Amino acid sequence: AQSVTQLGSHVSVSEGALVLLRCNYSSSVPPYLFWYVQYPNQGLQLLLKYTSAATLVKGINGFEAEFKKSETSFHLTKPSAHMSDAAEYFCAVSFGGATNKLIFGTGTLLAVQP
Amino acid sequence: GAVVSQHPSRVICKSGTSVKIECRSLDFQATTMFWYRQFPKQSLMLMATSNEGSKATYEQGVEKDKFLINHASLTLSTLTVTSAHPEDSSFYICSAREIGGDYGYTFGSGTRLTVV
Repeated sequence: AQSVTQLGSHVSVSEGALVLLRCNYSSSVPPYLFWYVQYPNQGLQLLLKYTSAATLVKGINGFEAEFKKSETSFHLTKPSAHMSDAAEYFCAVSFGGATNKLIFGTGTLLAVQP
Repeated sequence: GAVVSQHPSRVICKSGTSVKIECRSLDFQATTMFWYRQFPKQSLMLMATSNEGSKATYEQGVEKDKFLINHASLTLSTLTVTSAHPEDSSFYICSAREIGGDYGYTFGSGTRLTVV
């Protein structure tokens, strides 16, 4: 079955420290991978997406992610955390096609300590 | 960029009544829209895929008669929660994908439904 797994429901970092949020997928076909951020009581904002082009994807707000097929991973990183990065982050996967649905991971709540 | 407008943002209704939530793509056309439900501190669970001009495709375990979906045009999908009960209280989010777009999914800002 095709799925996506986020390791770590809660991650806490200090302001200025590296942010690493983990995401692994399971798929028998090439996936399209996404990272979204959600602030309380709001919808989702796209951070970045991988759609079979460059394996290192740069997104908004200084985030980037690398698609590693051998590890079936798409971890999200940011070199230096800001207080404003505190939010819920979701990894999601789609398996191509114009109408294919997006399947979400369980989410990781990022806390940034001053 | 692509914008999806979702209304209302919050609604409180009495048990037994019905509530309609609208999802509009403002600057693009979408043959497919998606409806998600999110419980507090949990992930988004796909409820159904809304297809313009045809019946919606519901995920396993989602009651079709309770959550009515209509996708009447290329820019509008509606979710109606019928005969609402307190257990239907949740955060509902819609998403749309642009025809011929670059595989991006744009999300609405969500609707907080409270059934009392």
